[in-house]
Amino acid sequence: DTGVSQDPRHKITKRGQNVTFRCDPISEHNRLYWYRQTLGQGPEFLTYFQNEAQLEKSRLLSDRFSAERPKGSFSTLEIQRTEQGDSAMYLCASSLVVDPSDTQYFGPGTRLTVL
Amino acid sequence: DQQVKQNSPSLSVQEGRISILNCDYTNSMFDYFLWYKKYPAEGPTFLISISSIKDKNEDGRFTVFLNKSAKHLSLHIVPSQPGDSAVYFCAASAANAGKSTFGDGTTLTVKP
Repeated sequence: DTGVSQDPRHKITKRGQNVTFRCDPISEHNRLYWYRQTLGQGPEFLTYFQNEAQLEKSRLLSDRFSAERPKGSFSTLEIQRTEQGDSAMYLCASSLVVDPSDTQYFGPGTRLTVL
Repeated sequence: DQQVKQNSPSLSVQEGRISILNCDYTNSMFDYFLWYKKYPAEGPTFLISISSIKDKNEDGRFTVFLNKSAKHLSLHIVPSQPGDSAVYFCAASAANAGKSTFGDGTTLTVKP
């Protein structure tokens, strides 16, 4: 297994457009997380899944954001009607639910630029 | 309310010397504390962790110290190497909470 992968690595879009990102976690990992990171800040939690169930969403996640993990494997994060404030690095991570420390393995991220 | 804080945005040390990165937290329910390292254009990678029932964990050149009464932890890197230059994030998790809380990171620069 090569680790967590994310696609695309970069996305440039115009304000008002919809974008979708994909994350493929480490195959045996049952937890999957989405984070947003802006310059000078740490990863900001957006949402997480345990298998196919979405267990928590951040209060900061507006209704323009939606995430799915339909078969408990890969996940998608969609942003509708993008705004310039959505420009950020979007990180995906995965972990094992049996790991009490919740050590997470991150993908390389998708950098979104909204013009 | 930021539950995990890294008050030093940057740190510069000479190669071969000790690097000490600090982290403070406010939530006494955290069970584990983790350090991640991030190079530019890459995602964070796990470095070392410590359980709240311990006060020290060592892995090679990296040692994490936990002071529960002060709600403070630190990462020591000895000796520091230029390849250690990266952003270091402190994170904390509570058992079965399902997510970790990250600090804003400290950029370490190790000068040759």
